[in-house]
Amino acid sequence: NAGVTQTPKFRILKIGQSMTLQCTQDMNHNYMYWYRQDPGMGLKLIYYSVGAGITDKGEVPNGYNVSRSTTEDFPLRLELAAPSQTSVYFCASSYMGASYNSPLHFGNGTRLTVT
Amino acid sequence: AQTVTQSQPEMSVQEAETVTLSCTYDTSESDYYLFWYKQPPSRQMILVIRQEAYKQQNATENRFSVNFQKAAKSFSLKISDSQLGDAAMYFCVTNNAGNMLTFGGGTRLMVKP
Repeated sequence: NAGVTQTPKFRILKIGQSMTLQCTQDMNHNYMYWYRQDPGMGLKLIYYSVGAGITDKGEVPNGYNVSRSTTEDFPLRLELAAPSQTSVYFCASSYMGASYNSPLHFGNGTRLTVT
Repeated sequence: AQTVTQSQPEMSVQEAETVTLSCTYDTSESDYYLFWYKQPPSRQMILVIRQEAYKQQNATENRFSVNFQKAAKSFSLKISDSQLGDAAMYFCVTNNAGNMLTFGGGTRLMVKP
């Protein structure tokens, strides 16, 4: 059981480039999330999805886009990368919302550097 | 808006001893949940323990327990019989009705052999 799989693990981008961070889960979870973690800080929610075809903004959505065409996949798109997007990105999933009986399962993160 | 504050950026504990990590939070929700997540150097986020706010009884999971003081909005984590594998960043987290989690800034725990 793979859980939540993120690719790539590391990436270096030049300013203005674009890329897609991939996330897939094999637990048939309805809810999926993208977080970013800046150095020495907690995680901040970028976007989330409550099911296929439905996405919504989190705390820090600017500069990002998402789509959810299937239950399993929730890619995060960075357009026109900026140094402020240097961070570690985590994808997570849960069966229901962020509640007691539905804890989040996290991927191992993607370390992105924009120079 | 919800806030979560962890006032101890770093803590250290001797192996086999007990350590308590502090957390205070602020929320306007009447029903909410609280969590402690652990992030070892591997970067994986691991759920350590969870508490429902309407339950007065403090949650325990083996060597991990919490002291939940709802009126004071305090949610501390106690680790007993500390082990080298407990060394990690620990995040105090709460949720809201909108399925968003709010994370504290984290406490780095070092375990000395």
